[in-house]
Amino acid sequence: GDSVTQMEGPVTLSEEAFLTINCTYTATGYPSLFWYVQYPGEGLQLLLKATKADDKGSNKGFEATYRKETTSFHLEKGSVQVSDSAVYFCALTPAFSSGGSYIPTFGRGTSLIVHP
Amino acid sequence: ETGVTQSPTHLIKTRGQQVTLRCSSQSGHNTVSWYQQALGQGPQFIFQYYREEENGRGNFPPRFSGLQFPNYSSELNVNALELDDSALYLCASSPGTGGTNEQFFGPGTRLTVL
Repeated sequence: GDSVTQMEGPVTLSEEAFLTINCTYTATGYPSLFWYVQYPGEGLQLLLKATKADDKGSNKGFEATYRKETTSFHLEKGSVQVSDSAVYFCALTPAFSSGGSYIPTFGRGTSLIVHP
Repeated sequence: ETGVTQSPTHLIKTRGQQVTLRCSSQSGHNTVSWYQQALGQGPQFIFQYYREEENGRGNFPPRFSGLQFPNYSSELNVNALELDDSALYLCASSPGTGGTNEQFFGPGTRLTVL
């Protein structure tokens, strides 16, 4: 079945450092790929997405590029802020539906801690 | 525009009991999905409802069941609670069932089974 693997956390950075959170996936065909962010005590929010190979999703300074050849969707940000501290989830929805439903698969999440 | 809301926020039950969790979808969204998020894990898909019909199901036993109402709000019911059912239960709504759609999540219901 489909799977998403994220790097283990926590990732601890100083403010203004460069961020990379690795995400690789296993799925048939060309799934849609997502990054969601979860702040303490809140539900998940979509950060960015890409729906076809070589697409780059971007939002709030975060970027991720859909790499079919390496089955990856790594999250990057050039300069992190304390307010970026949260848990980040990589996710996919399959290219083909199962009975009309595109069942999503989430990674385990990577905690990011940014110090002033 | 009102976002996704869930109730209650927290719930404590004992093993063997039954529980009902509720979700109000975002305005204009006809699809609701439910997830179980254990501590330190990513959300696991339970099932999805589209226009009041179950539209897909993850690897959860039949004691997990749901409903969707004409206003697209939804309920998750869990019978015969087990200790391992302790988790954060998330509801997410979307404007359709397509795989490229963004899902809008509620804040979750924290269920503790003693």
